[in-house]
Amino acid sequence: QKEVEQNSGPLSVPEGAIASLNCTYSDRGSQSFFWYRQYSGKSPELIMFIYSNGDKEDGRFTAQLNKASQYVSLLIRDSQPSDSATYLCAVKSGGSNYKLTFGKGTLLTVNP
Amino acid sequence: DAGVIQSPRHEVTEMGQEVTLRCKPISGHDYLFWYRQTMMRGLELLIYFNNNVPIDDSGMPEDRFSAKMPNASFSTLKIQPSEPRDSAVYFCASSPGLHTQYFGPGTRLTVL
Repeated sequence: QKEVEQNSGPLSVPEGAIASLNCTYSDRGSQSFFWYRQYSGKSPELIMFIYSNGDKEDGRFTAQLNKASQYVSLLIRDSQPSDSATYLCAVKSGGSNYKLTFGKGTLLTVNP
Repeated sequence: DAGVIQSPRHEVTEMGQEVTLRCKPISGHDYLFWYRQTMMRGLELLIYFNNNVPIDDSGMPEDRFSAKMPNASFSTLKIQPSEPRDSAVYFCASSPGLHTQYFGPGTRLTVL
């Protein structure tokens, strides 16, 4: 059973701080890693994806991947109240299968 | 582009009734995914199609669930007979086959 684990939170940070969201996965053959944001009552939307070990930056967001430790994280710099949402980590196994396995998500609250 | 369209947005039915959920993917997207989201189990992939052909249905919970994609612009997920434990939000997503899956607004199903 391929598993993706996230701390359910809630994670509470003050406005302007760095929010750090973490995810671990069980399948060593996993190839691609995704972070989705889901506002309450809405559908998930993709924030970032990462394939290679190291960091990938996009604006205020940085994804970090460590395949040896089977660990992926998302950093949100200068957090804003509008970042308050549930963040879902998703993992795609290797090969041609497009199936994503999602974690249950971490609820982030950014306090003004 | 209108995005992924799902109908109905809300469905309340009684146990034992047949339920049909509908999805229109984004035009030109070759992949279509059906997900179910609950608090207990998170977001789970039920089945996905490539060019209207089912590729992976390993997430379909049991024979009561069936999905079809008769053409590139329409898919259905049917539950017959429905049970209270089927209550969830069902999302349809489509993808051009690269990194991003675009989610529809979801159908909130309540089985009494």
